[in-house]
Amino acid sequence: DTGVSQDPRHKITKRGQNVTFRCDPISEHNRLYWYRQTLGQGPEFLTYFQNEAQLEKSRLLSDRFSAERPKGSFSTLEIQRTEQGDSAMYLCASSSSRDGLLNSNQPQHFGDGTRLSIL
Amino acid sequence: KNQVEQSPQSLIILEGKNCTLQCNYTVSPFSNLRWYKQDTGRGPVSLTIMTFSENTKSNGRYTATLDADTKQSSLHITASQLSDSASYICVVSARNDYKLSFGAGTTVTVRA
Repeated sequence: DTGVSQDPRHKITKRGQNVTFRCDPISEHNRLYWYRQTLGQGPEFLTYFQNEAQLEKSRLLSDRFSAERPKGSFSTLEIQRTEQGDSAMYLCASSSSRDGLLNSNQPQHFGDGTRLSIL
Repeated sequence: KNQVEQSPQSLIILEGKNCTLQCNYTVSPFSNLRWYKQDTGRGPVSLTIMTFSENTKSNGRYTATLDADTKQSSLHITASQLSDSASYICVVSARNDYKLSFGAGTTVTVRA
């Protein structure tokens, strides 16, 4: 399978604990995105990487959230001191920008997400 | 206010029937519009993408239309199947911006 892979698929943890999610994008994709999705809503943008550089962070990404993409390949999203409001599906997507355009017509390919439940 | 509005929020149709989903957007300047299908518990999967100059695009039993003047798009599902039960999300890109604007989705339930 050469799609976007996310791990774990489900995470249940107690409030106050730290959690870390991993995303492995499609290998030739240089762009990687993190989104959060709650029930009945579309995904909300969290952050964006081009290669290893984190180019933008949404205001939704409080200081308890941190994302990395150290070698420009896989990425991790860490949430510290989790709160009940953090319960959501966390989606990762990747795309290619070989055409050099800031906005590429290449679609973003999504993983199946990590569903986080805070008890 | 969300820049992408979808309607209806949900609908139920009988297997074999057709249905049409609507998407209105205010994203500007417009670059492209995508429809994604999201099965329960899965990530969204791209169905179609249309740029400013394209009016219609098909992917099997899915046909998307775009009216860039009125900033409206529709997704038509022909001869629905049980596997079409999913959320359909309209996603719009602005020129010179990598961020996407997502609608809240339309949940389609196909019943036998």
